[in-house]
Amino acid sequence: ETGVTQSPTHLIKTRGQQVTLRCSSQSGHNTVSWYQQALGQGPQFIFQYYREEENGRGNFPPRFSGLQFPNYSSELNVNALELDDSALYLCASSPYPGALHFGNGTRLTVT
Amino acid sequence: QQQVKQSPQSLIVQKGGISIINCAYENTAFDYFPWYQQFPGKGPALLIAIRPDVSEKKEGRFTISFNKSAKQFSLHIMDSQPGDSATYFCAPGGDFGNEKLTFGTGTRLTIIP
Repeated sequence: ETGVTQSPTHLIKTRGQQVTLRCSSQSGHNTVSWYQQALGQGPQFIFQYYREEENGRGNFPPRFSGLQFPNYSSELNVNALELDDSALYLCASSPYPGALHFGNGTRLTVT
Repeated sequence: QQQVKQSPQSLIVQKGGISIINCAYENTAFDYFPWYQQFPGKGPALLIAIRPDVSEKKEGRFTISFNKSAKQFSLHIMDSQPGDSATYFCAPGGDFGNEKLTFGTGTRLTIIP
């Protein structure tokens, strides 16, 4: 067990809708990162938060946004969903630099 | 922009054999070189990692070999077991403390009895 919990496990949305994915990490994990994993591919970095501030972003459009809360939970929000957004979304937190602990992800299907 | 190339895409190894997976990268700013293991329905889990100041690191049956000049690193699994059947990703990263990792496309490893 990594101590990183994601919800929901599966989600089906319609193109154009908005979605919020949630992640809960252990106390003391000040850094949280979000990754998108398309089927058969490696995870791609979306963005990273450190103590509630975004401090790194990958090649994703602004309709991907996030929040990190003081209670070590975080959210990934995606607006105006597109079919290509269908993927496994992974949250990862770090108790110390260089040690990413991943959750089991949320499988998002956009129809 | 394919910064990280992993090979082979799939690998079948007999139980007890040695599994070898390779990773080539372009970005010389990378200074953290981990391998992740992912089982179906699970998130990736850190298997073993190396920093560029050493050329090899061994943990149990798992060894990383690192060649800085060639910008390559590899994962060796000794005495491969059916429980090692999974997808393996190399995921080099940048400055220490920066959790942005660039994942390879993965290697599906199957260990046959």
